[in-house]
Amino acid sequence: DAGVIQSPRHEVTEMGQEVTLRCKPISGHNSLFWYRQTMMRGLELLIYFNNNVPIDDSGMPEDRFSAKMPNASFSTLKIQPSEPRDSAVYFCAIGGTSGTLSTDTQYFGPGTRLTVL
Amino acid sequence: GENVEQHPSTLSVQEGDSAVIKCTYSDSASNYFPWYKQELGKRPQLIIDIRSNVGEKKDQRIAVTLNKTAKHFSLHITETQPEDSAVYFCAASDSGYALNFGKGTSLLVTP
Repeated sequence: DAGVIQSPRHEVTEMGQEVTLRCKPISGHNSLFWYRQTMMRGLELLIYFNNNVPIDDSGMPEDRFSAKMPNASFSTLKIQPSEPRDSAVYFCAIGGTSGTLSTDTQYFGPGTRLTVL
Repeated sequence: GENVEQHPSTLSVQEGDSAVIKCTYSDSASNYFPWYKQELGKRPQLIIDIRSNVGEKKDQRIAVTLNKTAKHFSLHITETQPEDSAVYFCAASDSGYALNFGKGTSLLVTP
């Protein structure tokens, strides 16, 4: 276990509902990444944070998606309103080490499987 | 931006044989190349990585080679075992932060 907790692990919701995915990384890593994985598109980077600041959100598909990182140990990815095409596995990953801005190994959380009916 | 191509998309080998998965990247500035293994229903897990100042790296039955001139890198698994069956992803980083992933290779090792 790389020390990344994601909740919920599974989410089933109806189209139009708001969905909030949560990520709790262990301390000591200064970068946090949100990925989406589908069979058709593979692993896609949605957004990443460095020292709690969003660095690049160009992968966020639409305005319906938003992400926050209020502190070093918590991040959320929200979809409002949700649509069936948002169904995917959403992974949170951590990387980097305290005090550095260079590339480092990324460790993935267990993921949240989202199904939008 | 960086574009990572991965081949083959599926690979089937017999137990004990070797498996090779190849990736190419487009950005000559990329300097970090990890490989992840993902079992069904599980998270991607790092199995080996290489940085641009090294041409080859080994870890038991797994090795990765990097050709910076040709902008390609490969994963080699020797003496394959059924538990090596999984989807393998290569990735490259050029920004200092984000990884660009290949589409994955589904490896099946048959007894």
